[in-house]
Amino acid sequence: QQQVKQSPQSLIVQKGGISIINCAYENTAFDYFPWYQQFPGKGPALLIAIRPDVSEKKEGRFTISFNKSAKQFSLHIMDSQPGDSATYFCAASPGAGSYQLTFGKGTKLSVIP
Amino acid sequence: DGGITQSPKYLFRKEGQNVTLSCEQNLNHDAMYWYRQDPGQGLRLIYYSQIVNDFQKGDIAEGYSVSREKKESFPLTVTSAQKNPTAFYLCASSTVLSGEETQYFGPGTRLLVL
Repeated sequence: QQQVKQSPQSLIVQKGGISIINCAYENTAFDYFPWYQQFPGKGPALLIAIRPDVSEKKEGRFTISFNKSAKQFSLHIMDSQPGDSATYFCAASPGAGSYQLTFGKGTKLSVIP
Repeated sequence: DGGITQSPKYLFRKEGQNVTLSCEQNLNHDAMYWYRQDPGQGLRLIYYSQIVNDFQKGDIAEGYSVSREKKESFPLTVTSAQKNPTAFYLCASSTVLSGEETQYFGPGTRLLVL
């Protein structure tokens, strides 16, 4: 199974709150899990990525949590700001040497003042 | 400036017409990709190329064709066989950073059918 299931489809968070987006996968060969941020009318940009040998990775206000046994990973955005309003995609690939990313269907995040 | 350029930004296709979307990168990346994005569907892989003169079908290649004659260029042709071509098309290229492959995306081309 190549699917990556992402939830929720949309999310509204107040400024200063925590935004949480979840993804689940079935293919145990997946070895690299990036998150992309996309603003309307623009191409996606890499936000943060993780490999399964660590359970958490933090970059500024963005944190990926990874649960290998449950085959789930999530993105947490701390102190969410209106400028974070965008669509977020999780993705997975078999890792180095593979050229294919499988994407989730995306979460549209709206941060309201 | 290093990056990926896609042109045109908007493209209109008439019924039965083939159209070609341009993608150029000056990042010296070996691999390039084409994705199709529809609302609520995420990104779906159309074609990818790991090296010049070689390319592979992705999940939704029917009705599309590509070429890779130069490392910098990976044009996508939407043929008349593609019955539902209206979508946002994204080109990407990739490199390996610290052992992890990273894909970089262009700004996209929106294709509309007249």
